[in-house]
Amino acid sequence: KQEVTQIPAALSVPEGENLVLNCSFTDSAIYNLQWFRQDPGKGLTSLLLIQSSQREQTSGRLNASLDKSSGRSTLYIAASQPGDSATYLCAVNDNAGNMLTFGGGTRLMVKP
Amino acid sequence: DAEITQSPRHKITETGRQVTLACHQTWNHNNMFWYRQDLGHGLRLIHYSYGVHDTNKGEVSDGYSVSRSNTEDLPLTLESAASSQTSVYFCASSEGTAYGYTFGSGTRLTVV
Repeated sequence: KQEVTQIPAALSVPEGENLVLNCSFTDSAIYNLQWFRQDPGKGLTSLLLIQSSQREQTSGRLNASLDKSSGRSTLYIAASQPGDSATYLCAVNDNAGNMLTFGGGTRLMVKP
Repeated sequence: DAEITQSPRHKITETGRQVTLACHQTWNHNNMFWYRQDLGHGLRLIHYSYGVHDTNKGEVSDGYSVSRSNTEDLPLTLESAASSQTSVYFCASSEGTAYGYTFGSGTRLTVV
């Protein structure tokens, strides 16, 4: 059974810092990995989707990398802003059949 | 613009009552999913469907049912609501394995 772990569970940084969120998964036979953002009391917003054949994806200040063989992904946020404060979730879509398995999330707070 | 909508946004119901949560998507996606989100457990898959008249059980399906009579809708029914089913419920859809998921805004259900 696929297991997804996100470290750290919570992170507090001053505005302007570059930061890295980590995601690891136990079964490397995945189709893709997706990073989401969730604001308190809200739904999930897709940030980046990385296919298993890709090494990284970029969107603005966000860069996600994927090392499938080692079961790891990182989300890099450049020049963090208070508006980046949210919970970040990673989820893997594996050979079990187009279903996502989620990590527990990293709760990020960016202080002005 | 295409979207995925859930209703109601909030609901309070009594133990033992039947409750139905609605999910409607205009993406024309074949794949639809229901997840619940709880503190300490993250997001867990309840039921999913790959197309009209197709339904499948997920990780935490006991006490829930779904039906798929058209492409757009996947209602989730709690046959006899229990306090353990107090949670936030998210519906999602996907075009296929190689594509990302799109999530609705969620339904917060309280069973008293």
